[in-house]
Amino acid sequence: AQSVTQPDIHITVSEGASLELRCNYSYGATPYLFWYVQSPGQGLQLLLKYFSGDTLVQGIKGFEAEFKRSQSSFNLRKPSVHWSDAAEYFCAVGARDSSYKLIFGSGTRLLVRP
Amino acid sequence: NAGVMQNPRHLVRRRGQEARLRCSPMKGHSHVYWYRQLPEEGLKFMVYLQKENIIDESGMPKERFSAEFPKEGPSILRIQQVVRGDSAAYFCASSPRLDTNTEAFFGQGTRLTVV
Repeated sequence: AQSVTQPDIHITVSEGASLELRCNYSYGATPYLFWYVQSPGQGLQLLLKYFSGDTLVQGIKGFEAEFKRSQSSFNLRKPSVHWSDAAEYFCAVGARDSSYKLIFGSGTRLLVRP
Repeated sequence: NAGVMQNPRHLVRRRGQEARLRCSPMKGHSHVYWYRQLPEEGLKFMVYLQKENIIDESGMPKERFSAEFPKEGPSILRIQQVVRGDSAAYFCASSPRLDTNTEAFFGQGTRLTVV
């Protein structure tokens, strides 16, 4: 069965520190991969997506993610976190033949220490 | 170009009442998707609609839930005889078409509370 695992429920980092949020997926083929951010009481904003090609994907707000097929991972990174990055982050996968039906992980809540 | 508009943002219903959630897709978008987010969980796909057609409702509960996307007007997610377990955030997303490299844009959600 297709699934997405975000093993860290909460992560706390200091402002200016680097960040890596983990995402592992289980899928029979190469899926479409997404990272979304959700601020409290808000909707989801797409940070970046991987469909094909270069496995290192650049997104908005200084985020990047790397698709590693051998590890079934799509970890999100940012070299220097800002206080405004505090939010919940969701990894999602979509099948190539039904890309509208995204499967989301349970999310990682990021707290940023001043 | 306004984004995906959902209303109401917050909805409180007593057990047994009906809840109607509305979603106006972005201009030019004819594909709409509904997702549900239970507390402390990720979003779960419910249904995919195009104008006047339900394409995939594999994520919809078998009873009490229905969705439509009429030729004119917003998409509606309807929950009849709500129960406490229906309390969740319901998100709508839209896209202009369905093919590779198409991104779906999400609305801000409707937070339903059943009391």
